[in-house]
Amino acid sequence: GAVVSQHPSRVICKSGTSVKIECRSLDFQATTMFWYRQFPKQSLMLMATSNEGSKATYEQGVEKDKFLINHASLTLSTLTVTSAHPEDSSFYICSARAPGGGPETQYFGPGTRLLVL
Amino acid sequence: GNSVTQMEGPVTLSEEAFLTINCTYTATGYPSLFWYVQYPGEGLQLLLKATKADDKGSNKGFEATYRKETTSFHLEKGSVQVSDSAVYFCALTTNTGTASKLTFGTGTRLQVTL
Repeated sequence: GAVVSQHPSRVICKSGTSVKIECRSLDFQATTMFWYRQFPKQSLMLMATSNEGSKATYEQGVEKDKFLINHASLTLSTLTVTSAHPEDSSFYICSARAPGGGPETQYFGPGTRLLVL
Repeated sequence: GNSVTQMEGPVTLSEEAFLTINCTYTATGYPSLFWYVQYPGEGLQLLLKATKADDKGSNKGFEATYRKETTSFHLEKGSVQVSDSAVYFCALTTNTGTASKLTFGTGTRLQVTL
């Protein structure tokens, strides 16, 4: 099946710094990418949907200026957590969807664990 | 709004045991239902799906039947293997095509021992 990678797999940073997470579709072009956040023992919560070349659409309650999303190409989307604080510590998962497809063509990355000290 | 409720894990079974992971949902309209599996260190993978009432999704020995009357989509396997150890997520969407968004359950960790 299609492969989606995330980098880094885990990151530890100091409070107040910014962290960038990359999501790449390795063997297909993804017009749409999704970013999720998962807290322990909770479900994946959709943060935002990004389409290549346009602004991301954020879910209600997600701070746009806090979580910057850039979908610069058909194979790369980045999530930048700006001025990170300990409450931003979480597991961040991206997924990429093939053009014209529904959930069946959505492929997930392995996730990035962020710890803010 | 849409929501998915899964049984809390972890579920620990011996190899060749019967598996059931419960999933119930709340949704507006007529959702499509999915089970995803996440093996250690990997991304979620679509395991099976069902798009309308009474449909049965199946893959790799796993099955789930879309029960509209009980709003359930329980995952079953007759004989689990150690290699089935993973986290299983139930999910739904009420849209189709490119506009669809998935709503996930909390995930259930399955551990199969020899």
